[in-house]
Amino acid sequence: EAQVTQNPRYLITVTGKKLTVTCSQNMNHEYMSWYRQDPGLGLRQIYYSMNVEVTDKGDVPEGYKVSRKEKRNFPLILESPSPNQTSLYFCASSWLVTSGKGGNEQFFGPGTRLTVL
Amino acid sequence: AQTVTQSQPEMSVQEAETVTLSCTYDTSESDYYLFWYKQPPSRQMILVIRQEAYKQQNATENRFSVNFQKAAKSFSLKISDSQLGDAAMYFCAYRSPAAYSGAGSYQLTFGKGTKLSVIP
Repeated sequence: EAQVTQNPRYLITVTGKKLTVTCSQNMNHEYMSWYRQDPGLGLRQIYYSMNVEVTDKGDVPEGYKVSRKEKRNFPLILESPSPNQTSLYFCASSWLVTSGKGGNEQFFGPGTRLTVL
Repeated sequence: AQTVTQSQPEMSVQEAETVTLSCTYDTSESDYYLFWYKQPPSRQMILVIRQEAYKQQNATENRFSVNFQKAAKSFSLKISDSQLGDAAMYFCAYRSPAAYSGAGSYQLTFGKGTKLSVIP
């Protein structure tokens, strides 16, 4: 089954304790992205990756890191989490149109609810 | 940068009736993609319908259809024969075409969402 998986689904942590949220897709997509969803703000992009070893900042990258060492994985790293990073996080992936595979829509993971105390 | 506006934070519809959710966007591009995503209480983001800007024909998917007005930069979603399972948050989203010169243009920009309630 084609899917995007995220782990953990729920996480409660304390300020300053480093954490990683994993994301994996099995569709061989080039493009992967992280979003955060906050009430009244919709989804905002944190980081994205066009392919292995190619990453760049989205609209709200402060306090986050990512890496893309393998095509299927795109972990989100919070080196020193703070309460303002309490949010619902989504990983998503898609083809690049230039790959000729079309589609364009992004496939989303199930979300990770993060609470930073 | 592109912006997407959903002017109705909440809407309600009677079961079996029809409802239309509004979305407008701002862009200087001529080619782009528009989407409606549904987010039920499970929080999963589910693609409802997709429209390519170069296509004049409005997209339809079963009970879901869009009214795409390119000149007005409007992209509304019509849900016919509403069902209880349609109750969810609905997000309108815009995406530029391929990253010809910069990956930033490939970003998916979301509106703030419309919460739809279905009344039995």
